[in-house]
Amino acid sequence: QKEVEQDPGPLSVPEGAIVSLNCTYSNSAFQYFMWYRQYSRKGPELLMYTYSSGNKEDGRFTAQVDKSSKYISLFIRDSQPSDSATYLCAMSFNSGYSTLTFGKGTMLLVSP
Amino acid sequence: DSGVTQTPKHLITATGQRVTLRCSPRSGDLSVYWYQQSLDQGLQFLIQYYNGEERAKGNILERFSAQQFPDLHSELNLSSLELGDSALYFCASSVVAVISYNEQFFGPGTRLTVL
Repeated sequence: QKEVEQDPGPLSVPEGAIVSLNCTYSNSAFQYFMWYRQYSRKGPELLMYTYSSGNKEDGRFTAQVDKSSKYISLFIRDSQPSDSATYLCAMSFNSGYSTLTFGKGTMLLVSP
Repeated sequence: DSGVTQTPKHLITATGQRVTLRCSPRSGDLSVYWYQQSLDQGLQFLIQYYNGEERAKGNILERFSAQQFPDLHSELNLSSLELGDSALYFCASSVVAVISYNEQFFGPGTRLTVL
C-alpha cells in the first residue's frame, strides 16, 4: 500500500460544477497537508496548505483534513475551464526541513 | 514563474550514458529538492540539500547523485541510464525556517528521454 492514495481520474465536469478531489493516507505522523495544481508540461504550484485537522478556504477553493479518518479533500466551487489541470495532494511530517510525499494526482477536465 | 530555473528543458540520450541536470533556486532560498515524475510512480522525492549539505534522501538510485554548490545552484547527475529513467525531473526550492511553514517552489522541469 502506498503512503498516499489518490484516484488518477480523469474527472470530467461541466463549467460551474462543484468538484471534490480526495486523498487517503496511511501514516498518522503527517501534519501538513498540501494541494498542488500542475498544468500540462509545467511544474506543480501550491494551491493551499493546512496544518492538522480542519478546513481552510481561499476563494473558490476549500481544503479539508480529517486526521481521524486519514482523509483529505479539496473542493472547487464554480469550476472554470482554466481549472483543468492535474491536482496533487502532498503531505509532510513537519514544516521545517520536511520533505513532501505526493499522491499520483487527479486529472480534472472542466468543459465550457 | 516560480523563480526556480532548470536547464535543459529537454534531454534525449541513449542507454548507458550520463547526463547532468541543473537547477538554480529562487533568490534567498537555501534548500533545494529534486523530484522525479513518471506516469507509473507519480512525483517522487529524490534528495534534498540545504546550504550545500545533503539533508534528506528519498528514493534515489545509487546511479544518481547530486550536489549543491556555494552559489546554491544544484546539479543532479544521472549515470548508466536505463529506459526506465525516462521521466520529468523537477527541482524545487524553499526558505527553510523551522518555525513557519515552508512552501516549496517548483521549477519547470527537465524532460529526460532515454532511447
